[in-house]
Amino acid sequence: RKEVEQDPGPFNVPEGATVAFNCTYSNSASQSFFWYRQDCRKEPKLLMSVYSSGNEDGRFTAQLNRASQYISLLIRDSKLSDSATYLCVVLDRGSTLGRLYFGRGTQLTVWP
Amino acid sequence: EADIYQTPRYLVIGTGKKITLECSQTMGHDKMYWYQQDPGMELHLIHYSYGVNSTEKGDLSSESTVSRIRTEHFPLTLESARPSHTSQYLCASSERLQGTNEKLFFGSGTQLSVL
Repeated sequence: RKEVEQDPGPFNVPEGATVAFNCTYSNSASQSFFWYRQDCRKEPKLLMSVYSSGNEDGRFTAQLNRASQYISLLIRDSKLSDSATYLCVVLDRGSTLGRLYFGRGTQLTVWP
Repeated sequence: EADIYQTPRYLVIGTGKKITLECSQTMGHDKMYWYQQDPGMELHLIHYSYGVNSTEKGDLSSESTVSRIRTEHFPLTLESARPSHTSQYLCASSERLQGTNEKLFFGSGTQLSVL
């Protein structure tokens, strides 16, 4: 079983739409969670960390459900520039040093 | 913008050649990583380092080696390239954030094609 599972999509939505991505992780002891964004043929970049109480950054809202081992990302009022692949990332601290695990990514295309 | 650099950006090479992919960062980060990513697939960790003279193999057996003689430099070497090594190689370093969080900074990647 993979450490991090994501629906690969693709999600094709019109501008202005609200879209939600989900991610599940297998290790209940995982400590930190992130969403990264990767544009086509580019490197991943941190979009936002995910905190236990949920957090918002402009049009982006991240939620964490530890009981269900589930992370979500909500994008409101989608823009053309939101088109990218969104990677769910989990940090496990089995030792003091920690390991990051990446999901396969969910592809989003926003059309005009 | 992140101060982490990879060279070359693209490399096309014949089977059996020895190659070294370069990665340097000027942020003073102790942790550095090499990932391999095929199109539409997840990143696979192939090597990591937690500091000078510290290197570990990741999840993917890539038949490559790394070294960490200086904090800023983390080169990846393939002794004998094969077509199965064709992929994108991403180098990253990480900054510790508040609490247990980390932020990864990625280089632009090296697209390797082995003929």
